[in-house]
Amino acid sequence: TQLLEQSPQFLSIQEGENLTVYCNSSSVFSSLQWYRQEPGEGPVLLVTVVTGGEVKKLKRLTFQFGDARKDSSLHITAAQPGDTGLYLCAGDMEYGNKLVFGAGTILRVKS
Amino acid sequence: DAGITQSPRHKVTETGTPVTLRCHQTENHRYMYWYRQDPGHGLRLIHYSYGVKDTDKGEVSDGYSVSRSKTEDFLLTLESATSSQTSVYFCATRTGSTNYGYTFGSGTRLTVV
Repeated sequence: TQLLEQSPQFLSIQEGENLTVYCNSSSVFSSLQWYRQEPGEGPVLLVTVVTGGEVKKLKRLTFQFGDARKDSSLHITAAQPGDTGLYLCAGDMEYGNKLVFGAGTILRVKS
Repeated sequence: DAGITQSPRHKVTETGTPVTLRCHQTENHRYMYWYRQDPGHGLRLIHYSYGVKDTDKGEVSDGYSVSRSKTEDFLLTLESATSSQTSVYFCATRTGSTNYGYTFGSGTRLTVV
């Protein structure tokens, strides 16, 4: 059983469409991070959210941390083929020592 | 770049043999982690280190051991490789607060036949 449940597991969309990826848990996290991973490489950090209700924007990507710090979402506006990859959420439960990861969402954006 | 090197990048080994994977960092980061990545499971923590000679188990530590004799090197050993340990292994480091995120290496693809 995954501590962090990500949905959907797979998403295939056309260029220009919007999408949202969800990361849910019954546990409270001190912070939550989103990573993007390309084939043959390690994950790369996109953002960290720390405060309940926090919203962060990185260009066309919007990240939100739930008020209760148990869930998060990643919204991409006007997706582009370059957004294709594996998106992982990760939560920090113990204020610093280790992260737990969701299973990931594979995003494919077709041109 | 972040200065994390994993070696080897690819390895095929036989069941029952010991295997050691190496993670080398040039960032002087205190914390180092070994994860394995399998389809449908995301990244699962095997072992981690919070300083030289200070290590602890993660959620999937059975069959694995680690050593950290220097800040820059973190070794993962499969004591007697099994087919269930076929996976992609990632090393990660972080400096201080988790808020700054982890930096990952490029991974080692291990196949146990």
